Amino acid sequence: DTEVTQTPKHLVMGMTNKKSLKCEQHMGHRAMYWYKQKAKKPPELMFVYSYEKLSINESVPSRFSPECPNSSLLNLHLHALQPEDSALYLCASSRLAGSGTDTQYFGPGTRLTVL
Amino acid sequence: AQTVTQSQPEMSVQEAETVTLSCTYDTSESDYYLFWYKQPPSRQMILVIRQEAYKQQNATENRFSVNFQKAAKSFSLKISDSQLGDAAMYFCAYRSPPAGGSEKLVFGKGTKLTVNP
Repeated sequence: DTEVTQTPKHLVMGMTNKKSLKCEQHMGHRAMYWYKQKAKKPPELMFVYSYEKLSINESVPSRFSPECPNSSLLNLHLHALQPEDSALYLCASSRLAGSGTDTQYFGPGTRLTVL
Repeated sequence: AQTVTQSQPEMSVQEAETVTLSCTYDTSESDYYLFWYKQPPSRQMILVIRQEAYKQQNATENRFSVNFQKAAKSFSLKISDSQLGDAAMYFCAYRSPPAGGSEKLVFGKGTKLTVNP
């Protein structure tokens, strides 16, 4: 089973709203990732969690706040977003971070629109 | 910094035919990992195949195979007996070794594959 689930599938929010994206995996993976993908572009890494600790923040604006409550869950809290933040947000997981042999498995993504 | 180049923004193939997608990369490392991911219009990124640089044998997964040329830093994907379900955006990705490296996948810009019936 290589399933990563993400909710919601679609999200429309105003610039003053607060919302959260959720990601879940039950593969026993200890590394989880958030990516942002604009249309017709490759994914861009935002955050990496390794053993529930933030290990990489790719200089993401503070209006994006990640959280890893346990080894199966990853959240991305959104506040005061801008229209240019509209994108597909992908979650991924891998068995271990820092291990090059580990493949990242992606979820289906959340399509975010900021009005 | 590592870079990944996919020189074909779009490709098309007839159903049941064979197509090859190209990927080149630039790195000074000797040990690394290469991946091909597929992203259909449904948008989920799906792993197609992966290759460890220390392995000389080219990876294969059913109808998908790679031609890994380490000296040339080339990692092409061959799809045999193309099916309509193969239509997607294909991304080539590079990952550094763990020691002193990072969890980052460096992606190419992608190749959009169309399969014609």
